[in-house]
Amino acid sequence: GAVVSQHPSRVICKSGTSVKIECRSLDFQATTMFWYRQFPKQSLMLMATSNEGSKATYEQGVEKDKFLINHASLTLSTLTVTSAHPEDSSFYICSARATGETGGIYNEQFFGPGTRLTVL
Amino acid sequence: AQTVTQSQPEMSVQEAETVTLSCTYDTSESDYYLFWYKQPPSRQMILVIRQEAYKQQNATENRFSVNFQKAAKSFSLKISDSQLGDAAMYFCAYRIYTGTASKLTFGTGTRLQVTL
Repeated sequence: GAVVSQHPSRVICKSGTSVKIECRSLDFQATTMFWYRQFPKQSLMLMATSNEGSKATYEQGVEKDKFLINHASLTLSTLTVTSAHPEDSSFYICSARATGETGGIYNEQFFGPGTRLTVL
Repeated sequence: AQTVTQSQPEMSVQEAETVTLSCTYDTSESDYYLFWYKQPPSRQMILVIRQEAYKQQNATENRFSVNFQKAAKSFSLKISDSQLGDAAMYFCAYRIYTGTASKLTFGTGTRLQVTL
């Protein structure tokens, strides 16, 4: 299957600093990438959808100025948490959608391993 | 808006036994995908099985099978011969068939415990 990587896997930062998380599709091109947030023992909450070369579409209630998303190429999307605060501590998961058909499914979506962000 | 409901927050099964996880959904679309994802303690989301709505035959993947009832909007997952490695959170998800704007809608998850 296709592989999606995330870096870093774990990050601890001080309150007020910014943190960048990278999401890469390693062996396929992804015109669309998704960013999710997951709180302990809860489901994945979609934060935003990013398309290569255009502005991200944010879900209702997600601050676009706080969570900056850049989808610079067909294999890379970044999420920057600006001026992070303890309430931003969470598990962030990216997902990349393959173009065309892979394994019998059209536009299959593959998930990265996640990034645990802790803001002190 | 589409919704996905998993009414069982936790389930438990003995090793080698069979367990069924429930999922219902609501949609006005006719063409869509349904998925079951597994999230083990590592937090990596793993696709377990998928079903295209236009297919009447239930999908199967080794020990995993689904009971897809389109009219009832029900999509349950059956795990046969349960193994300790099956212990995880299981999420049911829905997505319309195609289009770059389509996105996954997840249920709230069911935590499966596997006991000896």
